[in-house]
Amino acid sequence: DTEVTQTPKHLVMGMTNKKSLKCEQHMGHRAMYWYKQKAKKPPELMFVYSYEKLSINESVPSRFSPECPNSSLLNLHLHALQPEDSALYLCASSQEGLQETQYFGPGTRLLVL
Amino acid sequence: DAKTTQPPSMDCAEGRAANLPCNHSTISGNEYVYWYRQIHSQGPQYIIHGLKNNETNEMASLIITEDRKSSTLILPHATLRDTAVYYCIVRGVYGNKLVFGAGTILRVKS
Repeated sequence: DTEVTQTPKHLVMGMTNKKSLKCEQHMGHRAMYWYKQKAKKPPELMFVYSYEKLSINESVPSRFSPECPNSSLLNLHLHALQPEDSALYLCASSQEGLQETQYFGPGTRLLVL
Repeated sequence: DAKTTQPPSMDCAEGRAANLPCNHSTISGNEYVYWYRQIHSQGPQYIIHGLKNNETNEMASLIITEDRKSSTLILPHATLRDTAVYYCIVRGVYGNKLVFGAGTILRVKS
């Protein structure tokens, strides 16, 4: 089973709202990732968690705040977003770390108004 | 990580083999070739990866040239559901990020 689940599938939020994206995997993977994908562009890495600790932050603005409460769960807290943050947000996981094959979830389509 | 070059788009007839090329002329000895695909509005799907030997799984075959400077992903009997963007990615063994390029849009037509 190589399933990564993400909720919600779609999200519309205003620029003053606070919302969270959720990602879950039950494959026993110890590394989890957030990617952002703008329309007609390839995915771009945002954050990497390894063994529940943030190991990579790709200079992402602080209005995006990741959290890894346990080894199977990854959240992305959103606050004061801008319309240009509208994108598909993808979660992925891998067994140990960056050197392992990553498996992606279906993504959350975010629209910021 | 080595850069990859892929054609922007390709067409394939349903039921025929789809052969997707990728150039990675600056690949180094410890770098793997990975293939992912992304069907419209879905998350990327892992297909296959290899180092120097040809690889086959239930989805596809990966043929890597002897000098490792290029590779071909083969979908043996393409179906309409194989229409997607196919990404060829070269990455090292230790701690290297997955960096997606522009990929190849494969259109399978009936």
